[in-house]
Amino acid sequence: ETGVTQTPRHLVMGMTNKKSLKCEQHLGHNAMYWYKQSAKKPLELMFVYSLEERVENNSVPSRFSPECPNSSHLFLHLHTLQPEDSALYLCASSRWWVKRGYTFGSGTRLTVV
Amino acid sequence: GQQLNQSPQSMFIQEGEDVSMNCTSSSIFNTWLWYKQEPGEGPVLLIALYKAGELTSNGRLTAQFGITRKDSFLNISASIPSDVGIYFCAGSGSRLTFGEGTQLTVNP
Repeated sequence: ETGVTQTPRHLVMGMTNKKSLKCEQHLGHNAMYWYKQSAKKPLELMFVYSLEERVENNSVPSRFSPECPNSSHLFLHLHTLQPEDSALYLCASSRWWVKRGYTFGSGTRLTVV
Repeated sequence: GQQLNQSPQSMFIQEGEDVSMNCTSSSIFNTWLWYKQEPGEGPVLLIALYKAGELTSNGRLTAQFGITRKDSFLNISASIPSDVGIYFCAGSGSRLTFGEGTQLTVNP
């Protein structure tokens, strides 16, 4: 149990589907992050939320739409994805001052067919 | 932006051998962190370093925060098969910056 729970663990979707990834933490953290991890590539920061406000969007295509309804939950809404979007999507949380690092979830393995 | 150079990219070792990996940066960091990611899981924090020169151990793992604050290394002694995974360094400024990872394979 890492303290950050991601669902689903695995997802296969067609390019015309709409799906959502969910992340939940009850660690009392006030910042949450979405990362993309592709094979043989470093971790790519996608979005950062602090106190439920999006504070960073690293040039992510609009087919990825994040939502943070409260400090414990983070969603990533997906629509009309491309095969190259297949990857492991990791959620993380932290205190806003990151000195003690991030706590990661186990990730959602996404395959776009 | 800030970049971390982590080396080596991969290591293939025999069980019982010691392992060493390092990260260097062109920028100063206030905190260095080392994570391990096992297949199908997210990264898990192994060691956090908060002061230049600090040497910290966690079981068979030892990490050091470089004096210049621009580098850190991680050593694993007497490796075992369950040490397999990807090891990431991360430097903390206003945001965590991650290295590209070291893929460790341990042959029994």
